[in-house]
Amino acid sequence: GENVEQHPSTLSVQEGDSAVIKCTYSDSASNYFPWYKQELGKRPQLIIDIRSNVGEKKDQRIAVTLNKTAKHFSLHITETQPEDSAVYFCAASNRDYKLSFGAGTTVTVRA
Amino acid sequence: DAGVTQSPTHLIKTRGQQVTLRCSPKSGHDTVSWYQQALGQGPQFIFQYYEEEERQRGNFPDRFSGHQFPNYSSELNVNALLLGDSALYLCASSSGLWNTDTQYFGPGTRLTVL
Repeated sequence: GENVEQHPSTLSVQEGDSAVIKCTYSDSASNYFPWYKQELGKRPQLIIDIRSNVGEKKDQRIAVTLNKTAKHFSLHITETQPEDSAVYFCAASNRDYKLSFGAGTTVTVRA
Repeated sequence: DAGVTQSPTHLIKTRGQQVTLRCSPKSGHDTVSWYQQALGQGPQFIFQYYEEEERQRGNFPDRFSGHQFPNYSSELNVNALLLGDSALYLCASSSGLWNTDTQYFGPGTRLTVL
């Protein structure tokens, strides 16, 4: 089955700086890569996703890049703000409908 | 437009007992997936229901079973509870036609097994 690895496990950044989280996946058939943000005690919320026919997608301060050849994808958050502090999960899906999640990255934005 | 809802919010059970968790999907969605999230880990896929059938299953024992009703709501049943079943149980709904359809998560049910 699909195996998703996520790095780093923790990330501390100064407010206003950029944060980058990287994930690799094992199944070359995977074609959908969402990113979820989970605040303490809350549900995971989709922040951005990318499909395998696209190499990059941007939504305001958030962007995701996908390298199908290398089987990795990354989340970029620019101009970080205190409300960006949360746990971020990457996930991958092939045609078996399930999402396989990474272990998560705890992001702390220092004021 | 209601989002994904789950009940109950919290549940405490003892080893060996059985539990039923409930999920109502987002309006317009016909597919429900269930995930188990242990503390400090990413969600792990349990199974997915579409058209009242289990369409896909993860690596969970058959103590974990489910059901989907004609109104698309779903139940997760866990028999013979173990201490290791303590976790946050999340359901996610989607339109279900493609694996690339966005999955929206409910708030979860926190299960504690003593």
